[in-house]
Parts: sequence; C-alpha cells; structure tokens
Amino acid sequence: RKEVEQDPGPFNVPEGATVAFNCTYSNSASQSFFWYRQDCRKEPKLLMSVYSSGNEDGRFTAQLNRASQYISLLIRDSKLSDSATYLCVVKSGGSYIPTFGRGTSLIVHP
Amino acid sequence: DAGVIQSPRHEVTEMGQEVTLRCKPISGHNSLFWYRQTMMRGLELLIYFNNNVPIDDSGMPEDRFSAKMPNASFSTLKIQPSEPRDSAVYFCASSYGGGMDGYTFGSGTRLTVV
Repeated sequence: RKEVEQDPGPFNVPEGATVAFNCTYSNSASQSFFWYRQDCRKEPKLLMSVYSSGNEDGRFTAQLNRASQYISLLIRDSKLSDSATYLCVVKSGGSYIPTFGRGTSLIVHP
Repeated sequence: DAGVIQSPRHEVTEMGQEVTLRCKPISGHNSLFWYRQTMMRGLELLIYFNNNVPIDDSGMPEDRFSAKMPNASFSTLKIQPSEPRDSAVYFCASSYGGGMDGYTFGSGTRLTVV
C-alpha cells in the first residue's frame, strides 16, 4: 500500500458545484497534514493545513479522520479558477520529511 | 521575502553534459528539499538537508546525481553526465523546523536532456 493515496481524477464539475476529495495515508504515526494546490506548469503551493478538529478557509473545508486514516478537502461553490491539481501531504511526528500524494485533478467548467 | 529562488527556469542540454541546478531557500528556513516531478512518477524526494547537512539522500537515483549545501542560503543539484530520462521538473523547497507551517517551493527548473 502506498504511503499516501489519492484518486487522480479528473473530477469534472460545473461552476457552483460542491466537490470533495479524499486522501488516505498508511502511517498511523502521521501528525501533520496539508493540502497543496498545483497549477499547470507551476510549483505546488500551500492551500491549507489540516487540523484535528477540522478547519475552514472561505469556500474550502479540510477534515481529518484519524480512525480511518484519511483527510478530505471540500470545495463549495466551485470557480473556474479552482481548476488545478490538489496534492495531499502527510508527515509523521518523528520525521522532517513530508510525503506527497500524486494529486487529484479538478476541472471546473462553465 | 522573495520566496525560494531557483535557477535556471529552463535548461535544455545534450546527453552527456553536466547540469547544475541552483536554489536559494527562504532566509531563516533550516530545511531544504530537492524534488523531481514527472507525469509518470509524480513528486519524488531526491535529498533532504537540515541545517546544511544532508540527512536523507535515499531518493538520489544514482551516482550521476549529487547535491551540496555549502551554506544556509545556497544549494546545488548536479547531474553528470545527464541522460534523456533525467528530463523532468526539479523543485527545491524549504521549511522551518519540522515543517509544521508547511513547505515553500521554488518555481522549479524544467530540464530537458536531448
């Protein structure tokens, strides 16, 4: 089993839709979780950290389920500009090295 | 802060040539990572430095790859000799401490070996 797994997609949704991605991780000692966004031919950029209690930033909500070892990202009211690849990142407490998922591609169409 | 700075942005070279990629991390960040990204393999960690010391180089493909960090503000990744299969985007990223605040990437070097 891969350390961090994501559905590659693409998720093809209309503007205004709500879309959710999941990411599963295999290391139960994982302690830090992030969602990154990567636009085509650009570098990954931090979208948001994922906290144990869940957190929200505008239209974006991130949640952590430790029992089932997955994190999720919910995007409400999708915009054309949300089209990108979303990378899940997991880091264990005893390591400085993050593990990146392969990413989930989102395409928002008019 | 100008962020993580990488150079060159693009590099086209012939097989067998030496290639040197450069990275300037964010000032104050003490962890530096070199990644390679391809469509087939996604983001692969090549090497990780902490306080200028290489901690984990298990991702370095083979002896043709080498990386250095002579000081806190500069790192290089060298490929000698280069091969077509080295064609990829190479990213440098930096973080502070254990990366609790995430990792900042440079804009990458797109390497093409012909």
